[in-house]
Amino acid sequence: GQNIDQPTEMTATEGAIVQINCTYQTSGFNGLFWYQQHAGEAPTFLSYNVLDGLEEKGRFSSFLSRSKGYSYLLLKELQMKDSASYLCAFLDSNYQLIWGAGTKLIIKP
Amino acid sequence: EAQVTQNPRYLITVTGKKLTVTCSQNMNHEYMSWYRQDPGLGLRQIYYSMNVEVTDKGDVPEGYKVSRKEKRNFPLILESPSPNQTSLYFCASSPGDREAGELFFGEGSRLTVL
Repeated sequence: GQNIDQPTEMTATEGAIVQINCTYQTSGFNGLFWYQQHAGEAPTFLSYNVLDGLEEKGRFSSFLSRSKGYSYLLLKELQMKDSASYLCAFLDSNYQLIWGAGTKLIIKP
Repeated sequence: EAQVTQNPRYLITVTGKKLTVTCSQNMNHEYMSWYRQDPGLGLRQIYYSMNVEVTDKGDVPEGYKVSRKEKRNFPLILESPSPNQTSLYFCASSPGDREAGELFFGEGSRLTVL
């Protein structure tokens, strides 16, 4: 079967670094995606990993290990505007996205 | 401006009164999809369409219908809404295939069924 798991909620301090983990199980894999969703708004695309390793995009980085079924999103120099839910999803063998339930990130001053 | 447009953004209706939520995209995307989002459950796919005249059920299709008569439009139809369909609905599109995971979302439609 297929499943994907991420923590429900995390808290971090403004200016710090936070890592949001995501684990998944699937027999067919075509990439791992991270989305950001502010409360009451639509999700927006953040990053895409299809090969093992780290992809860096400004303050945000995403890592993938296909052999371990593991990804993380790393947010550096946290700002209050980073308070949001972060959704992990993988693209299965039918090119359908399988979504995690999301991690609510709370940033404290 | 590239966008996905949903209407209405907010709707309160009563049980059994048919309604349609429209979705239109201007990016010539092949793939379109409807999701509902409920607290604690994340995004759940209702229906999706890989191209014109091709639609498939997602994880929670019961009580919903869709059509894809033209590439840009993908309306969601609730023939006889019930209170358990009260939710936040998102339409999304992508170029398809290997780019299928990079979705562009509409702003959402918050539906309340009394």
